[in-house]
Amino acid sequence: GENVEQHPSTLSVQEGDSAVIKCTYSDSASNYFPWYKQELGKRPQLIIDIRSNVGEKKDQRIAVTLNKTAKHFSLHITETQPEDSAVYFCAASGTGNQFYFGTGTSLTVIP
Amino acid sequence: DTEVTQTPKHLVMGMTNKKSLKCEQHMGHRAMYWYKQKAKKPPELMFVYSYEKLSINESVPSRFSPECPNSSLLNLHLHALQPEDSALYLCASSQAYSYEQYFGPGTRLTVT
Repeated sequence: GENVEQHPSTLSVQEGDSAVIKCTYSDSASNYFPWYKQELGKRPQLIIDIRSNVGEKKDQRIAVTLNKTAKHFSLHITETQPEDSAVYFCAASGTGNQFYFGTGTSLTVIP
Repeated sequence: DTEVTQTPKHLVMGMTNKKSLKCEQHMGHRAMYWYKQKAKKPPELMFVYSYEKLSINESVPSRFSPECPNSSLLNLHLHALQPEDSALYLCASSQAYSYEQYFGPGTRLTVT
């Protein structure tokens, strides 16, 4: 089955700096890669996603890049704000409806 | 309606109790999911229903029993749980294979 690794597990940045979180996956058949943000005590919320036929996608301060050959994808957050502090999970779609989640990155933005 | 709802928000139950968790969506999604999430861990897939039929069961103990009465509703029946089953139980739905999943707020379950 699919194996998704996520790094780093914790990340602290100064407000206004950029944050980058990286994930690798093992199954070359995976074709959908979402990123979720989960604040303490709340539900995971989809913040951005990318499909395997696209190399990069951007939505305001958030961007995701995908390298299919190397089987890795990354989340980039620019101009970080304190409200970006949360746990971020990457995921890769396996066969059918199955998602395989990374282990999560706890991001702290220091004001 | 672009939301997945779950009831109850919190549930405390003894090991001999029987209870049910409920999930509802009105987005016309045909796939629905149950996940279990422990603190500081990613969601773990338990069950997937596709077009109201169970399509994935991730080797979940039989004390958890899912049910999909119709395309909008998903239940999780609980019986004889163990303290280690205490967790946040999340429901999600999606349009079809490999489409974005939308999560409900979860039910915080405590087994005493």
